[in-house]
Amino acid sequence: ETGVTQTPRHLVMGMTNKKSLKCEQHLGHNAMYWYKQSAKKPLELMFVYNFKEQTENNSVPSRFSPECPNSSHLFLHLHTLQPEDSALYLCASSQEAAQSNTGELFFGEGSRLTVL
Amino acid sequence: AQSVTQLDSHVSVSEGTPVLLRCNYSSSYSPSLFWYVQHPNKGLQLLLKYTSAATLVKGINGFEAEFKKSETSFHLTKPSAHMSDAAEYFCVVSESGTGRRALTFGSGTRLQVQP
Repeated sequence: ETGVTQTPRHLVMGMTNKKSLKCEQHLGHNAMYWYKQSAKKPLELMFVYNFKEQTENNSVPSRFSPECPNSSHLFLHLHTLQPEDSALYLCASSQEAAQSNTGELFFGEGSRLTVL
Repeated sequence: AQSVTQLDSHVSVSEGTPVLLRCNYSSSYSPSLFWYVQHPNKGLQLLLKYTSAATLVKGINGFEAEFKKSETSFHLTKPSAHMSDAAEYFCVVSESGTGRRALTFGSGTRLQVQP
């Protein structure tokens, strides 16, 4: 039990489908993150939410749409994706996202997405 | 601007022998440095962190890392590898003083442990 739970663990979708990834944290944190992990590339930060407000969008295409209804839940809505979007999508949480030296993130196990 | 370079994409050691995973960083501000580990089909887990206290940092599972400012390095070591250490390891730098925390991840080093 990592404290950060992601569902589904695996998802296969066509380019015209609409699906969502879900993340839930049980750690009482106030910041949540979406990262994309592709083969042979560094981890890419996609979105940051702090106290439910989006504080960072790292030039992510609009076919990825995040939603943070409360500090414990984070969604990533997916539509009209491309095959190059196939990757492991990792959710993480931390105490808060403001200036901090702790940098400690708690990660979920990821959702492996395959776009056909 | 900050960056981090992991000098080896793959490292292979025999069980019971020392582990050295190399990391160099660049940072305009006083950095914090971290090592994360990712086992197959799992998320990332924090191994250890340096935040301007002691330069030799001890982490979980017998790992440690030494912050060397003159060499801009933060190499990860372990005296004796165990089979369960086989995983991917990420060096991460975080800058303060920019008004927000920004974590930059290295591209990872895959550690293989041979029996």
